This record gives sequence, structure tokens and C-alpha cells, in this order.
Amino acid sequence: QSVLTQPPSVSAAPGQKVTISCSGSSSNIGNHFVSWYRHLPGTAPKLLIYENNNRPSGIPDRFSGSKSGTSATLGITGLQTGDEADYYCGTWDSSLSAGVFGGGTKLTVL
Amino acid sequence: EVRLVESGGGMVQPGGSLRLSCVGSGFTFRPFGMIWVRQAPGKGLEWLSYIDGSNNPIHYADSVKGRFTISRDNAKNSLYLQMNNLRVEDTAVYFCARDMGYLVLGSYKDIWGQGTMVTVSS
Repeated sequence: QSVLTQPPSVSAAPGQKVTISCSGSSSNIGNHFVSWYRHLPGTAPKLLIYENNNRPSGIPDRFSGSKSGTSATLGITGLQTGDEADYYCGTWDSSLSAGVFGGGTKLTVL
Repeated sequence: EVRLVESGGGMVQPGGSLRLSCVGSGFTFRPFGMIWVRQAPGKGLEWLSYIDGSNNPIHYADSVKGRFTISRDNAKNSLYLQMNNLRVEDTAVYFCARDMGYLVLGSYKDIWGQGTMVTVSS
């Protein structure tokens, strides 16, 4: 059971928009920056969003992040079949004194 | 090119030990915090351990505390994970990553290795 809760899966058609939620508590999301990662099995995870809503160089503006209270959201617009992957949120948990990830969300582009 | 490369994975019996290595290149290794993350078969990413550029602080997940030890040798641009008393449930792909930002504010991992597989089985 992950400390951060994500939906196991989401799906949408090509060209559409999807959002992935990440729910936590005051000891993690509520008081810390959230980052988002894309991961394909057998490859290195890739940073998509850092410090709640910032995109690293090279990440298209189709990807966005937001945070409100103890929840965070990753948004992806203009979906492409190449966006199919597992997506994870992550942050620090001050009660655990450890980093935490969400359980991951599998995105399917129908 | 900024890069991290893990090595040292393999198959080991329950109760055994392994030492993983992660070598960084293309960047100045010393200032950055580094972490280990793993992914068990069919499971999500699990944060394991953090070490600051100057070796303090160090943090562990409860699942590995007392069994795993993180360390680094900045002169060799290397990060290590000594894994003792391994269990079947430690079977996973192990990744190292560079940690950016301020740890206790919610840092982020901008560079990841490709991972090394550890299998614990009798």
C-alpha cells in the first residue's frame, strides 16, 4: 500500500486530455514539492514535472502539474500513442523521513 | 552526456549479500544527493535510500533499514548499496538517480540509470 494514492489506470483517445491524480497527506504532499515521472518497463524513469508545476528542459508543454492542499495532478493534453507508460508522483514524507512514490498509473491511449 | 550506470546485480540466495554500484559521468558528482529506488516485478517504484553529497544526512525506507547501507566515493564518482540478509521480496530492478533540490522540501530525481536486476531465490 503506497503512501501516495494514484488511480491504477486511466485511458483516453489520441488527441484528448487526461489527468492523473495523486493524493497524500499533510506529512507529504501538503507540505512538500511534488514531482512526476514517466516509466516504461526496462527503461530509466524520466522526470516530467518538478516542484509541483515546473517542466525540465525538453519536456513539451503538453505536460502540466498542479497541487492543491494534499493532492497533486498531472495533466497531459494532445495525447499520443507514445504517451502510453506508467506515471508516478513522488515527494518527501516528513513523518517517515523518507521519500515516497505513488503506486503508479498506467496510461492507455485508445 | 550526463549518465548513471548501475552494476552488481545478479542472483543470490535468501540471507545472502550483494553490493550494487552506480557510476556517474558527464557531471560533477560530489555536490549532488543520490538515491536508490527499486521496482519489484509487477509493482511500482519504491524509494529506498538517500545520501547527501557530503555523506550526511542519510535516510532509509523502513523496508530496508538495518539491512541495506548506502555509501559513496566522490573521488570515483560512485554510489553504492550494500545489501545484506536479502529476502525473496527484495527481488527487483534497482535504479540509482541524482537528487535535485532540497530533500526535505521535496526534491526531484532528474537523472536515472537503466537499472540492475537483483533476484533473490533459493
